[in-house]
Amino acid sequence: DIQMTQSPSSVSASVGDRVTITCRATQVIRSWVAWYQQKPGKAPKLLINTASRLQSGVPSRFSGSGSGTDFTLTISSLQPEDFATYYCQQADSFPSTFGQGTKLEIK
Amino acid sequence: EVQLVDSGGGLVQPGGSLRLSCAASGFTFSVYWMSWVRQAPGKGLEWVANIKQDGSAKYYVDSVKGRFTISRDNAENSMYLQMNSLRAEDTALYYCARDSGTRAFDVWGQGTMVTVSS
Repeated sequence: DIQMTQSPSSVSASVGDRVTITCRATQVIRSWVAWYQQKPGKAPKLLINTASRLQSGVPSRFSGSGSGTDFTLTISSLQPEDFATYYCQQADSFPSTFGQGTKLEIK
Repeated sequence: EVQLVDSGGGLVQPGGSLRLSCAASGFTFSVYWMSWVRQAPGKGLEWVANIKQDGSAKYYVDSVKGRFTISRDNAENSMYLQMNSLRAEDTALYYCARDSGTRAFDVWGQGTMVTVSS
């Protein structure tokens, strides 16, 4: 199975900061990579599909990029509602696997 | 409104069985792949199983193969997960999710909790 390793596991940041979360795959994968946001007690919410495509309705401060083994989620200017846990997912190779999560906390 | 509603979770003893249900509304259920994804308490997400639009193809993560069976009824806009021989490590919140067509999950149920304990 392909493992997706996210870094950092947690990060503290302030409103207005730029934050980047990285996901590294254990082998080269195509762009079937998605990013999700999950708030406590809620289901995950899809932010980015196919590595860089913003899901409909998601604010443009979220962006995704990457190829090969390294993929990133960037939040350009943190808003109070962005403090949550973020997960990457690869669906290029069976079985689809998720990263372990990155908890984004208020500094 | 596009919606998935999960149900059927509960407390079950090791070796027991449960059947989870996912009711879809607000979209044409029969044209989408559907999945079950679980999340153990305080842990990350794990894809469990998925099923093709017409039910002709089904796939499972190795840890549940032979114990869990995914199915769907397009006439009822519903998906199911029959879970047998349950183990403590199956304890999790189980979500049904819609495959958007880009292999990402764009619609999620609210989750139903399965607890396997004696």
